[in-house]
Amino acid sequence: DVKVTQSSRYLVKRTGEKVFLECVQDMDHENMFWYRQDPGLGLRLIYFSYDVKMKEKGDIPEGYSVSREKKERFSLILESASTNQTSMYLCASSLGIGASSGIQYFGAGTRLSVL
Amino acid sequence: DAKTTQPNSMESNEEEPVHLPCNHSTISGTDYIHWYRQLPSQGPEYVIHGLTSNVNNRMASLAIAEDRKSSTLILHRATLRDAAVYYCILRDVDNFNKFYFGSGTKLNVKP
Repeated sequence: DVKVTQSSRYLVKRTGEKVFLECVQDMDHENMFWYRQDPGLGLRLIYFSYDVKMKEKGDIPEGYSVSREKKERFSLILESASTNQTSMYLCASSLGIGASSGIQYFGAGTRLSVL
Repeated sequence: DAKTTQPNSMESNEEEPVHLPCNHSTISGTDYIHWYRQLPSQGPEYVIHGLTSNVNNRMASLAIAEDRKSSTLILHRATLRDAAVYYCILRDVDNFNKFYFGSGTKLNVKP
């Protein structure tokens, strides 16, 4: 079975802190994604990566950056955390372009609270 | 603009079939239709997907309208473990296989 592991289930940080959310997948997938999920707004794409060191902005990239130095690991970085970044963060991975299924496999999520 | 539209909530009795509708009137010819569900405190999990033809798997069936502007996820016999938020998603094959999530339907299953 595909496994997508997010390093923390719950995080509490202070305003202005630099925050790292880590995600690791074990299926050699080319694509990796970061979403945030808020009540009433559903899942929104922050950033995605289609290869090592390659990244593309999603729908809401402001205030975030990402890093993908190895194929299995995709990190989301909050440069200076703010209270409006309190949310559930979900990581996902999938096979790359040309794959017929395009199924995304999700981690369990990290619930981040910024105080 | 939302690419998919779903009812906010639905209710079903245990052991009965459930039909979850989704409208996607702006679907393009290469968009796949995916369904995922999300149980409380978990990430979304894959249920089924299709392009044009109806699809069946061990979890559910997917019925796609002939014009592809709507689809229906069918759970043949709902169980209490099927209570979840169900998302109808369009996958953009021409754009890195990006997903466009709708707001989801919260399914409540009554014993």
